[in-house]
Amino acid sequence: DTGVSQDPRHKITKRGQNVTFRCDPISEHNRLYWYRQTLGQGPEFLTYFQNEAQLEKSRLLSDRFSAERPKGSFSTLEIQRTEQGDSAMYLCASSLTGEISGNTIYFGEGSWLTVV
Amino acid sequence: GDSVTQMEGPVTLSEEAFLTINCTYTATGYPSLFWYVQYPGEGLQLLLKATKADDKGSNKGFEATYRKETTSFHLEKGSVQVSDSAVYFCALSGGAQKLVFGQGTRLTINP
Repeated sequence: DTGVSQDPRHKITKRGQNVTFRCDPISEHNRLYWYRQTLGQGPEFLTYFQNEAQLEKSRLLSDRFSAERPKGSFSTLEIQRTEQGDSAMYLCASSLTGEISGNTIYFGEGSWLTVV
Repeated sequence: GDSVTQMEGPVTLSEEAFLTINCTYTATGYPSLFWYVQYPGEGLQLLLKATKADDKGSNKGFEATYRKETTSFHLEKGSVQVSDSAVYFCALSGGAQKLVFGQGTRLTINP
């Protein structure tokens, strides 16, 4: 059983460019989450999906950010017109709802974004 | 809203010392509580969890007990190793099923 995988692991981009991150959750996990983590801080919730439906978005998710999960499996997080303040690690996580699983959330290794 | 407050770091200990990292929370209802660990350059790994009051989570020699009366979930280990050096995050999951994290505590163990 593979864990949550993210791609790319590292991305350096120029200010104003668009970037896209991909996340493949653990197989059969119906929930998928995106978090952002800046240096020295804990992760902050951005958004989550149940299957293909985006159920909640944080106020941190500005209009330049968009996330999709078109078939309820993998997800993409796109940042348009990147700014230096977007530099962070973007973490994807997944979980399986239900009492047996305990709704435990499992994280990927993250995608580091540096905007120069 | 829900929040988690962790003991500020960094924490530096010698090998085989006793470890405590304090964590308190504020939440409506009855959240689940978690400790995650993050090694340098990596994502988060679930260390242990507790889903109801008085539950004790344990893993790899680490323990934490869900104390509803003091709204705490302190992490303890009786004898730390150099390989335990990492950043530790306390987190809660409330009704919305998303995690709210503390700011993290960096732990360094010296041989």
